Amino acid sequence: GQQLNQSPQSMFIQEGEDVSMNCTSSSIFNTWLWYKQDPGEGPVLLIALYKAGELTSNGRLTAQFGITRKDSFLNISASIPSDVGIYFCAGLSNYQLIWGAGTKLIIKP
Amino acid sequence: EAQVTQNPRYLITVTGKKLTVTCSQNMNHEYMSWYRQDPGLGLRQIYYSMNVEVTDKGDVPEGYKVSRKEKRNFPLILESPSPNQTSLYFCASSLLAGMVDGELFFGEGSRLTVL
Repeated sequence: GQQLNQSPQSMFIQEGEDVSMNCTSSSIFNTWLWYKQDPGEGPVLLIALYKAGELTSNGRLTAQFGITRKDSFLNISASIPSDVGIYFCAGLSNYQLIWGAGTKLIIKP
Repeated sequence: EAQVTQNPRYLITVTGKKLTVTCSQNMNHEYMSWYRQDPGLGLRQIYYSMNVEVTDKGDVPEGYKVSRKEKRNFPLILESPSPNQTSLYFCASSLLAGMVDGELFFGEGSRLTVL
């Protein structure tokens, strides 16, 4: 099945650093979503974007819906230990979610 | 508490021994789905259901069966498990059949090992 191109695959960062990850697709989506999976749990929705060009924040997280509708970005500012986990992007198409492979965030001790 | 509940959370079984992973949601959601998660591959959809008695194949349905006899339950059946079905499985639900807002509520996962 179709999968979104999500990068990077993993990130090793220091606490306090800013984080950026992105997702691209060859197809257009009308909705982009970002989910986070904490270790040992199921993914949870962080941010949903419904309009091209939209910029939405949720605390230290900011996500953007690309103007071409083929990409989306997620930024995390001033990372803290509880930010570790896997971040997934997803695009909604024909009532089904198409997923990226995930970005694993690891905080260096 | 609103939740999606899966059982068992952990299971080790042997090739060919039929098993069922149950999934139940208490949010009166129309849409339910099963995913498997494997390292480097992200979430891959196995089957989904937009309503009672309506089920459809996802991206990786081979070797799995599902049923949706009641709105709240969506069990995943492995008739003859094989080692390549060793994975972490997630059940998820969404309020509307068309999942128009894209928000899925996931269970905590079921880790299955097939020897």
